[in-house]
Formats: sequence, structure tokens, C-alpha cells
Amino acid sequence: NAGVMQNPRHLVRRRGQEARLRCSPMKGHSHVYWYRQLPEEGLKFMVYLQKENIIDESGMPKERFSAEFPKEGPSILRIQQVVRGDSAAYFCASSPDRTTEAFFGQGTRLTVV
Amino acid sequence: LAKTTQPISMDSYEGQEVNITCSHNNIATNDYITWYQQFPSQGPRFIIQGYKTKVTNEVASLFIPADRKSSTLSLPRVSLSDTAVYYCLVGGWGSYIPTFGRGTSLIVHP
Repeated sequence: NAGVMQNPRHLVRRRGQEARLRCSPMKGHSHVYWYRQLPEEGLKFMVYLQKENIIDESGMPKERFSAEFPKEGPSILRIQQVVRGDSAAYFCASSPDRTTEAFFGQGTRLTVV
Repeated sequence: LAKTTQPISMDSYEGQEVNITCSHNNIATNDYITWYQQFPSQGPRFIIQGYKTKVTNEVASLFIPADRKSSTLSLPRVSLSDTAVYYCLVGGWGSYIPTFGRGTSLIVHP
């Protein structure tokens, strides 16, 4: 059973461009969580999704950020008009229904130049 | 949401046992306690999870007292490769979102 797959592993964008980060959960997992980690800091929750639904987006910035988890395909975290402050590692985790542990991907490191 | 408090850093030597304690005074009845390990440039890796008393797996042990207001992760005979940040989380995935604190940076010396 493959783990949580995130791609790309590294992404470089110029200021003002769009960044699209993809997350394929583990097989059988219908819950996806996105976290952001700045250098030397802990992980900050951004959004929690189930298939086709956003359950909790309380950690998501109000502007420029959006997330989806369609019926088919990976979950997508989209950042429009990126700024240097968006440079960070973005981690995705997945879990099966109603369990108490989640498994993380290796992350996407976004660098805005 | 239950808040956790851990030491910011710890130092140890190869072959020693390391105990990292996490305080979670306002843990809720249905909360589990989960520990993750994170190496630089990698995603967090699940170590162990428990609800009460003691849990042991091939990697670590987790001790939880009766009042559940704290927990202790025990790593037996650490090696250099155990140098990492260790996070204590309280909550339940799928119900509400556990919060990562700053974690404990463990450095194992030769």
C-alpha cells in the first residue's frame, strides 16, 4: 500500500504566479488534511477535506488560497498570486474514516522568488 | 482544543533511554494522545498512540497516567538516527483537528 504521495516535491514560482500542490491519499483514505510549515516552526493546520467537501478551513488564509478534493483524483491546494511569504513546506496527511491517526506525505517545498 | 506543552529541546547520548513528557491539562474524554517524529525536510512520521495506561510497540512506549493530563514518550537505547523533532498531539483525526505545537528537538550525541 503506497503512502501519501505529494507532488511536486519542490516548486519554484515567481511572485504573482500560481502554485498548485497535489496530494494523493493512501488507498482507502477519504480524509485529507493540509498543513504548512515555515522554517524552524511547527506545522500549522490549514484545511481538512473529505471527498468533494471542505470540512474545516479555519486555518486557510482568506485570500489567494483554495483547496479541493474531487470525487476522482488527488486533492489540490492552490495558491494564487504567490508572494515571498508563501515560501514554506506544505504537507498533506490522510486518514480513513473516523480513526485517530493520520499519515503524512513528504511535502512540497514551495519557493517564491 | 486541548493544548500541549513539551520541552523545547533535549540532549542525550547513544544507548541511553530518553523520556519526553507532554502536558495536556484540558484533554477531553474522547481524545487520543499521538506522537509523531519529524526529520529535517521530511513529513511527520507516526510513532505511537494511546488512550490510557501504557502502550508499547517496536519503536517506543507511551505512558499515560490515570488522570490523562500528561503523557511520556519513552525511547529505549537511542541512536544517532533518533535525532529529530518529536510532537505530542491530542485529539482525534476525523473528528476535529489536532494541533501541532513546537515539538521537542532531541539531539543524540555519540
